[in-house]
Amino acid sequence: DAGITQSPRYKITETGRQVTLMCHQTWSHSYMFWYRQDLGHGLRLIYYSAAADITDKGEVPDGYVVSRSKTENFPLTLESATRSQTSVYFCASSESTGSKNIQYFGAGTRLSVL
Amino acid sequence: KNQVEQSPQSLIILEGKNCTLQCNYTVSPFSNLRWYKQDTGRGPVSLTIMTFSENTKSNGRYTATLDADTKQSSLHITASQLSDSASYICVVPGGTPTGGGNKLTFGTGTQLKVEL
Repeated sequence: DAGITQSPRYKITETGRQVTLMCHQTWSHSYMFWYRQDLGHGLRLIYYSAAADITDKGEVPDGYVVSRSKTENFPLTLESATRSQTSVYFCASSESTGSKNIQYFGAGTRLSVL
Repeated sequence: KNQVEQSPQSLIILEGKNCTLQCNYTVSPFSNLRWYKQDTGRGPVSLTIMTFSENTKSNGRYTATLDADTKQSSLHITASQLSDSASYICVVPGGTPTGGGNKLTFGTGTQLKVEL
């Protein structure tokens, strides 16, 4: 299916465990992003990538690791999950960073850390 | 600090009625402002993008306005439908992106519920 897909949609884990959230896009967009959405906060950028093998930190990167070996995939790993990382995670992609470019979002992954 | 503030936080209206959502921003330099619609359990979807030179922009029953002087935007929904029930998020690119990243500053959204 064309578009941007995230997996899993729901995940429950325990503190200290490693968790990887997957993101796949079929548009060959150069840019990909990971956000978290929490009550009382707007979406906050965790990491972004401008191209394969190029990644950079966003606003809230601590405790997260990303990689981008292929243009279409941008996994997000929580190396040792903490309760504060309970959140809804959204992946997004965009063709460019021009003034009118649009970011397209996946459906999200709801993560609960117990 | 770049900020985007939205009001009201939540709103309930009857089907067929109109409503207006507000967005105030303090982002500099300013290039454009976006409105996104987020259905429950889904990711945000772009409704409109407005540059500083655009005062009004429509997308079906959605009309966005922008006053770059006062740094305010509004989203007007005409003849609301049950399917308009969603969170509406105002988004402004957070100044000059570094390293090529398009960093966006998101408002916390207005939760709209349309009832029969």
